[in-house]
Amino acid sequence: SSELTQPPSMSVSPGQTATISCSGDGLGTKYVNWYQQRPGQSPLVVIYQDNTRPSGIPERFSGSIFGDTATLTISGAQALDEADYFCQAWDRSTALFGGGTKLTVL
Amino acid sequence: QVQLQESGPGLVKPSETLSLTCIVTGGSIRNHYWSWIRQTPGKGLEWVGYMFSSGTSSGSTSYNPSLKSRVTISGDSSKNQIFLNLRSLTAADTAVYYCARVRIAVSALDHFDYWGQGALVTVSS
Repeated sequence: SSELTQPPSMSVSPGQTATISCSGDGLGTKYVNWYQQRPGQSPLVVIYQDNTRPSGIPERFSGSIFGDTATLTISGAQALDEADYFCQAWDRSTALFGGGTKLTVL
Repeated sequence: QVQLQESGPGLVKPSETLSLTCIVTGGSIRNHYWSWIRQTPGKGLEWVGYMFSSGTSSGSTSYNPSLKSRVTISGDSSKNQIFLNLRSLTAADTAVYYCARVRIAVSALDHFDYWGQGALVTVSS
């Protein structure tokens, strides 16, 4: 696979659950990582290896994968979660990024 | 705590070569994979390539197929620095360039765990 597809944008109200999808051919055979990028900042990993949360990332962030679609879930979204989210996977020795999803929390 | 800092010219002319340096502090570059990733204004992330720093002059590399003919990534373990050279620049190469470390898990490439703050490069005459 050479492409990872994400919805360009989504909007949720504070306290609601945000789910961001990432799909690609053969994605189910690869580990998927998710990055959060707030305006003016560098990306930060929030989920790696499909569903592992790094130290310091709030429990409301979780990841899952079913078939060739990975999902980032933010349970009880907060205003500070408003950011761009990118999925990423490795295809042999090449890194692939999704196009990013702009999450608005209002 | 590992920290990465990109440096280089903010403005380069079309057809010229971009040279960026990533200074790594808080840890050795040896025995790690290091990537360059770029982001065009208002757009998504594009992986440029990576190198493995083995402490010798010939660490392995891998490049984005769309850039492979124009890019070289190398490192200097004595200076703890990673370098990016991108040749034959066009306006489409205008972007913020990040260096990032690739975490390895179970002998496989995993996620990008440390990122620099990024360096904006504008290609214009």
